[in-house]
Amino acid sequence: GENVEQHPSTLSVQEGDSAVIKCTYSDSASNYFPWYKQELGKGPQLIIDIRSNVGEKKDQRIAVTLNKTAKHFSLHITETQPEDSAVYFCAASIGLTGGGNKLTFGTGTQLKVEL
Amino acid sequence: DAGVIQSPRHEVTEMGQEVTLRCKPISGHDYLFWYRQTMMRGLELLIYFNNNVPIDDSGMPEDRFSAKMPNASFSTLKIQPSEPRDSAVYFCASRLDSSYEQYFGPGTRLTVT
Repeated sequence: GENVEQHPSTLSVQEGDSAVIKCTYSDSASNYFPWYKQELGKGPQLIIDIRSNVGEKKDQRIAVTLNKTAKHFSLHITETQPEDSAVYFCAASIGLTGGGNKLTFGTGTQLKVEL
Repeated sequence: DAGVIQSPRHEVTEMGQEVTLRCKPISGHDYLFWYRQTMMRGLELLIYFNNNVPIDDSGMPEDRFSAKMPNASFSTLKIQPSEPRDSAVYFCASRLDSSYEQYFGPGTRLTVT
């Protein structure tokens, strides 16, 4: 089955700096790669996702890049703010509309944005 | 929309007791997923349903765990008998058939003493 590795496990940045979180996956058939943000005491919230037919996707201060050849994808957060502090999870699946998609999650990155 | 609703938010029970966790998916969503989150194992998929039918329960840890979806707006995850190692946060998520995005509920924190 799919295996997703995520690094780093903790990341501390100064407010205004950029943060990068990296993930690798094992199953070349995976074609859907979401990123979730989890705040303390809450469920994971989807913040951005990318599909295998796209190399990069951006939404305001958040961007995700995908390298299918190397089987890795990354989350980039620019101009970080204290409210970005949370645990971030990457995931991978063989996404099928009209079919099930079993998400395999990375182990999470605790991001701390310091003032 | 109210999002995915889970109850209870917190559950403390003694070993050997039966525990039932409840989930109401987003209205109109076709898929429902149950996940478990622990420090040791991270987020694990336990089981998922499509149109109320269980599709894949390969993640259910053992026979003590069972899940049902009697209708499109309600699902339960039952643990009988519960054990201390079942202590975790259990999440329910749902999605539309036409989309890849899964939406998570707030979770139920289960503590088995």
